[in-house]
Amino acid sequence: QQPVQSPQAVILREGEDAVINCSSSKALYSVHWYRQKHGEAPVFLMILLKGGEQKGHEKISASFNEKKQQSSLYLTASQLSYSGTYFCGTLERDNAGNMLTFGGGTRLMVKP
Amino acid sequence: EPEVTQTPSHQVTQMGQEVILRCVPISNHLYFYWYRQILGQKVEFLVSFYNNEISEKSEIFDDQFSVERPDGSNFTLKIRSTKLEDSAMYFCASSGLRDRMNTEAFFGQGTRLTVV
Repeated sequence: QQPVQSPQAVILREGEDAVINCSSSKALYSVHWYRQKHGEAPVFLMILLKGGEQKGHEKISASFNEKKQQSSLYLTASQLSYSGTYFCGTLERDNAGNMLTFGGGTRLMVKP
Repeated sequence: EPEVTQTPSHQVTQMGQEVILRCVPISNHLYFYWYRQILGQKVEFLVSFYNNEISEKSEIFDDQFSVERPDGSNFTLKIRSTKLEDSAMYFCASSGLRDRMNTEAFFGQGTRLTVV
């Protein structure tokens, strides 16, 4: 089942913050965050496995709520290089297939 | 740094023709995937492959599609009779180390398939 991402698009000025949300109707095994620049392959950012988990660093971090149905990606003091489309990928169970299902993406544009 | 490589980078084919997209996953990974992305849209899961067989496949992955790992390094996606709507960027990915579950998927640079 496809996770729902919001917002669909964000325009920021350099230095501003953004939050991207990823929601599922049922509890997830894990959430993966990727960034894709135009014409390139998605690049892995981080995985969250535990309810209540927060990880990342000062500038780019993510959280996973206790119920493991929602994750948020936090972009702090954005830089021009943060521009791209952010996808969350979710695993519904720990299965051998590892079928990562991606959300619709959030297009982020950072302007000078 | 190890990477997933895909060939060709761009393939143009006529409707009804067969195409084979090739991928060399990262050598010590256990799980292999094909995803596709229609221009401007999200990345869609096609199929995952583990232990020499398909583990999961989506509704998109119908009888026209097949995957193969013909040797120890290559992982291929075949589309038997291409349709216009098969035009997309196809990404191969691999993940999964023997002693770690649920590791990140590394994506190749993609093959842009154009069906005319």
